Amino acid sequence: KAGVTQTPRYLIKTRGQQVTLSCSPISGHRSVSWYQQTPGQGLQFLFEYFSETQRNKGNFPGRFSGRQFSNSRSEMNVSTLELGDSALYLCASSLYGGAIEQYFGPGTRLTVT
Amino acid sequence: GESVGLHLPTLSVQEGDNSIINCAYSNSASDYFIWYKQESGKGPQFIIDIRSNMDKRQGQRVTVLLNKTVKHLSLQIAATQPGDSAVYFCGISGSARQLTFGSGTQLTVLP
Repeated sequence: KAGVTQTPRYLIKTRGQQVTLSCSPISGHRSVSWYQQTPGQGLQFLFEYFSETQRNKGNFPGRFSGRQFSNSRSEMNVSTLELGDSALYLCASSLYGGAIEQYFGPGTRLTVT
Repeated sequence: GESVGLHLPTLSVQEGDNSIINCAYSNSASDYFIWYKQESGKGPQFIIDIRSNMDKRQGQRVTVLLNKTVKHLSLQIAATQPGDSAVYFCGISGSARQLTFGSGTQLTVLP
C-alpha cells in the first residue's frame, strides 16, 4: 500500500506571496492532519480534516487554511507569507481520525525569502 | 492544554546496548500516546502507540511503558543498531483529539 505523498517536496516563495501544498493520504484513510515543524517550535498541529470537514484546529492565524476533497486528498494554503513561515510542513493520514495511529508523509520544505 | 517535556535532548548509546528515551506530560486526562522516529530529511515514522488503559506494550525490539501516576512515558529499544540513529518524538493526545509533541531526542548509536 502506498504511503502518504506530499507535493511539492521543496518550495521557495517570497514574503507576501501565497502557497498551496498538497497531500494524498494512504488509500482508505479519511483523516488528514497538517503540522508545521521548525527547529524552534518543533512539531505543531495546524488542523485536521475528516470526510471533507475540518474537525480540529490548532493555534495558527487565519492565514493558514486547508480543505479536503471527496477523494480525501487535502490541500493547505498559506496566504501573505512571512519569513517565520519557513518550515517543514507535514501531513499525516489516519484511518481512525484524530490522533490515532497517524502516518506521516515526507513533508514539503517551504522557504520564504 | 497539554504540554510535553523531554528528559534528554540527546542520547548516545553503544551498538548492541538498550536505549531508553523518556517523555513527561502534564495533563492527567491524556489518553493516547505515540512514538515516532524521524530520520534526517524524512517525515516522522510511526513506531508504536499505547492507550491509557495499558501500562506496557511491545513491538519488534521496542517497548513503550506508561506510568500514569507520575505522567511519564518511555520508549525502550533493545539491541540498538546503527539504523536506529534518528530523532525520536513522543506524541500525546487527550480529549482534544490532537497530538502534542515533545521536542525530540536525538539518538546516536556509537560503533
